[in-house]
Amino acid sequence: DSGVTQTPKHLITATGQRVTLRCSPRSGDLSVYWYQQSLDQGLQFLIQYYNGEERAKGNILERFSAQQFPDLHSELNLSSLELGDSALYFCASSPRDSPYEQYFGPGTRLTVT
Amino acid sequence: ELKVEQNPLFLSMQEGKNYTIYCNYSTTSDRLYWYRQDPGKSLESLFVLLSNGAVKQEGRLMASLDTKARLSTLHITAAVHDLSATYFCAVDPYNFNKFYFGSGTKLNVKP
Repeated sequence: DSGVTQTPKHLITATGQRVTLRCSPRSGDLSVYWYQQSLDQGLQFLIQYYNGEERAKGNILERFSAQQFPDLHSELNLSSLELGDSALYFCASSPRDSPYEQYFGPGTRLTVT
Repeated sequence: ELKVEQNPLFLSMQEGKNYTIYCNYSTTSDRLYWYRQDPGKSLESLFVLLSNGAVKQEGRLMASLDTKARLSTLHITAAVHDLSATYFCAVDPYNFNKFYFGSGTKLNVKP
């Protein structure tokens, strides 16, 4: 158990809908990263937040957005969902004193039908 | 376009044997990460290599980085079945905390 939690574990929704994925980092970790893993695209880095501020942006679609709240949990919002958005979404957090280490959550499996 | 290429993509080996997984990348980067993923599970961070010539070892796994050759290797010594997993490398060029992943190497160690 990495100490990073993600909810929900599974999500099934229809095309055109909007969903929110939630991530709670390990206690004390300020950084949160979001990743997408799909059969088509492989593993892709989406976005990173540090203490509430966006730090780095990867291949995140405009239909997707994220934020990190004052309690450091983060949410990834996916809207106007398409079939191709079906994937595993992972978040990870990094400790302050070891910023290159990442601890991954169990992931949310999103299925868009 | 930045490319991160791993080879082989699939590796089946016998217990007790040695093997190396290669990770080539197409642009300058002095940060290289290795991860492990068990089937149906999340990712686990294995190694972070932060400079040219960096070498890190944990158990039967040893990772190294040659930034001039844009190459990292993950060497497996005397493989055991528990090492069966998919291994990913990732680079963070420009040190912007933006990660680019390889396709993964699926390792199967046969007893």
